[in-house]
Amino acid sequence: EADIYQTPRYLVIGTGKKITLECSQTMGHDKMYWYQQDPGMELHLIHYSYGVNSTEKGDLSSESTVSRIRTEHFPLTLESARPSHTSQYLCASSDGQTQHFGDGTRLSIL
Amino acid sequence: ELKVEQNPLFLSMQEGKNYTIYCNYSTTSDRLYWYRQDPGKSLESLFVLLSNGAVKQEGRLMASLDTKARLSTLHITAAVHDLSATYFCAVEGRYGGATNKLIFGTGTLLAVQP
Repeated sequence: EADIYQTPRYLVIGTGKKITLECSQTMGHDKMYWYQQDPGMELHLIHYSYGVNSTEKGDLSSESTVSRIRTEHFPLTLESARPSHTSQYLCASSDGQTQHFGDGTRLSIL
Repeated sequence: ELKVEQNPLFLSMQEGKNYTIYCNYSTTSDRLYWYRQDPGKSLESLFVLLSNGAVKQEGRLMASLDTKARLSTLHITAAVHDLSATYFCAVEGRYGGATNKLIFGTGTLLAVQP
């Protein structure tokens, strides 16, 4: 059973606010990922990290940023939220074999 | 560029019937994954297929991989309502020396009717 946690689960917030979505894992995995998923659609990789102080942009352009100061923690930040950022954000970590996903954050920007 | 296509996108089937979901991908890959997602939930790992000819089974689901054809199948045997969910295949792309980045298919929404 994978232990990867995302908070908040749901967030409704106004345009222009700064948002940080939290993701933590207790498995000591080096590889971590952020995906964006619109309802009923496929997942798109927006950021990934292969270890502390390593971050890369994914395949889908995103206005968000990430940091990886500790192995277990991989937060995603939106400096100024817009309605176009409304989506579900899924965090995952990998043991090199399988990616394990958190429960996701459903974000709605008004 | 690695592309992953699933079909069908939507599948409505009756309990007790068999059916197959197909996953095609465009370039060489080391690994193929199948995930299940229930509405409003996260993704649950079902299978990891690592080599040509690999076959894995769990309950009523069986996954196979043909790397030469770049095709994976997820076969459902004697469907039950509990299998209703969206099923995604994902292929691990190669990016220089770095691996383990996944490209997801569009998903297949499976609805099993009583």
